[in-house]
Amino acid sequence: LAKTTQPISMDSYEGQEVNITCSHNNIATNDYITWYQQFPSQGPRFIIQGYKTKVTNEVASLFIPADRKSSTLSLPRVSLSDTAVYYCLVEKSGAGNMLTFGGGTRLMVKP
Amino acid sequence: GAVVSQHPSWVICKSGTSVKIECRSLDFQATTMFWYRQFPKQSLMLMATSNEGSKATYEQGVEKDKFLINHASLTLSTLTVTSAHPEDSSFYICSVLAHMNTEAFFGQGTRLTVV
Repeated sequence: LAKTTQPISMDSYEGQEVNITCSHNNIATNDYITWYQQFPSQGPRFIIQGYKTKVTNEVASLFIPADRKSSTLSLPRVSLSDTAVYYCLVEKSGAGNMLTFGGGTRLMVKP
Repeated sequence: GAVVSQHPSWVICKSGTSVKIECRSLDFQATTMFWYRQFPKQSLMLMATSNEGSKATYEQGVEKDKFLINHASLTLSTLTVTSAHPEDSSFYICSVLAHMNTEAFFGQGTRLTVV
């Protein structure tokens, strides 16, 4: 049973806001939601993490509804350099836990 | 955040030879490191969990005798692909999980091509 479900791909244009939604129906009480970004031939990079409601940092916002069965990564005013694969992960907090990656969403930003 | 460095960034080797990939945690003492493999256009697949001072834990389907992992210090884990074959060609990535946090830090990856 997949832990997370995301769209396989999305297209956008420069300057637009991009919202990528992830479904995680079986999320547990002590699970956190984390998003990573991966460029070709590079390791993933942490974007944002949240538990509930809304989290915002200098890169993105993360919206989590009350039931926590889904989450939405929001990238404001994307640029060409935001073209990448975005992974949504649901994992327990605490040290020593490996991360399980789903398929990810391949975002293509066009000029 | 933690800085994780992998070496080499890419390597080409002949079939039947062995290749060692290093993963260093430059500013963080990591008792646990993780090794992933990623084939083109696919997601990261966890291969093994590397534990400092003890044996690695391998995921189902990953041959421990083929993918040798050594985690001799808190800052270095190595993955050796023994008797490499073309099907082992892949992108290998290590990661460190920050203590008491689920934020992981990844190396830049090593692209292995076996010819």
